[in-house]
Amino acid sequence: DTGVSQNPRHKITKRGQNVTFRCDPISEHNRLYWYRQTLGQGPEFLTYFQNEAQLEKSRLLSDRFSAERPKGSFSTLEIQRTEQGDSAMYLCASSLIWTGGRNEQFFGPGTRLTVL
Amino acid sequence: QQQVKQSPQSLIVQKGGISIINCAYENTAFDYFPWYQQFPGKGPALLIAIRPDVSEKKEGRFTISFNKSAKQFSLHIMDSQPGDSATYFCAASMSFGNEKLTFGTGTRLTIIP
Repeated sequence: DTGVSQNPRHKITKRGQNVTFRCDPISEHNRLYWYRQTLGQGPEFLTYFQNEAQLEKSRLLSDRFSAERPKGSFSTLEIQRTEQGDSAMYLCASSLIWTGGRNEQFFGPGTRLTVL
Repeated sequence: QQQVKQSPQSLIVQKGGISIINCAYENTAFDYFPWYQQFPGKGPALLIAIRPDVSEKKEGRFTISFNKSAKQFSLHIMDSQPGDSATYFCAASMSFGNEKLTFGTGTRLTIIP
């Protein structure tokens, strides 16, 4: 399977703990996006990378959140001092941006976070 | 600010019927409009997408109709099948720069026999 993969698929943690999620994009995709989806809502943009550079962060991304994409391959999203409001599905998507301007983003299966 | 409004919230259609989901956007800088299908516990999967230089795009049983002046677009699923039962999201983005997707709130579609 050469699609976007995310690990873990499910994470249950206690309030105040730190959690880290991993996303492996489609090979050679230069853009990687993180979205958050709460129950009954559409995904909301959090941040994105072009290669290894993080180019934009949403206001939704408080200072407890940090994302990295070392070497422009996989990415990690860390949440420090988790709060119950962080409970959501965290989705990763990747795309190939070239001068033709393609927008197609391919999503992974997501990591469902539950904060108790 | 919700920039993409989607309706209805839920929809029940008989097998073989036509399912229609509507979306409206506010940002005139949007120029890429995809539809995603999502099954429970899965990530969204790209279904079909359109750019504003055409008014309609068809792929199999799925058709997007686009009205640039009204800033509206819709998804039509012809000959709806039980396997089409899922949540559908419209989205919009700009072709240059960030290209982040702004999603609607979703429509839960149920196809009944």
